[in-house]
Amino acid sequence: DAKTTQPPSMDCAEGRAANLPCNHSTISGNEYVYWYRQIHSQGPQYIIHGLKNNETNEMASLIITEDRKSSTLILPHATLRDTAVYYCIVRVGMKTSYDKVIFGPGTSLSVIP
Amino acid sequence: DAGVTQSPTHLIKTRGQHVTLRCSPISGHKSVSWYQQVLGQGPQFIFQYYEKEERGRGNFPDRFSARQFPNYSSELNVNALLLGDSALYLCASSLMGEGGLTITEAFFGQGTRLTVV
Repeated sequence: DAKTTQPPSMDCAEGRAANLPCNHSTISGNEYVYWYRQIHSQGPQYIIHGLKNNETNEMASLIITEDRKSSTLILPHATLRDTAVYYCIVRVGMKTSYDKVIFGPGTSLSVIP
Repeated sequence: DAGVTQSPTHLIKTRGQHVTLRCSPISGHKSVSWYQQVLGQGPQFIFQYYEKEERGRGNFPDRFSARQFPNYSSELNVNALLLGDSALYLCASSLMGEGGLTITEAFFGQGTRLTVV
């Protein structure tokens, strides 16, 4: 699985968009970009994933660059409840017989009132 | 629907003891994985089990073992506890399709906080 690089921490004003960057320059053609988040003392929560097209769901949007070497997770209107550690992960897509998620240190996002 | 459930939520053990942690996956999920999360770090993969067989193992010593039961629940056992085993232990379940291929993302439980003193 490819390695990812994320800033260790970020701040965002409540109500504004939070843009969390991730570099994954060694990503392979069959590797997806996944995002999870972990609110303090809870288990990680899946947010979104994508291969090469931009993706959007009820939680967030995922923008992947054309060369797939970086991506951005966008929380459109951050709330205090979005304060968490956000993990960017690249791994072989879900249709694999070996389900292992490799977490890095992630980005600690603080949403400020 | 119930999510992934883990028990106990908190546990305090003494060095040298052993511990058993339990996990019940989401109904219908046949794959269970275990992760260790030390304070300030991301979760680290320990094991994956599917249909009662070990599918993968992370870089952990033989003191760590696990098993999966016919109802797909799982236990993680750690022997000869060390202070460094103090961590949040997370269980994740996934839905597996034909041929044992993962077809959903991993769903995590709330974890068991183990403190070794």
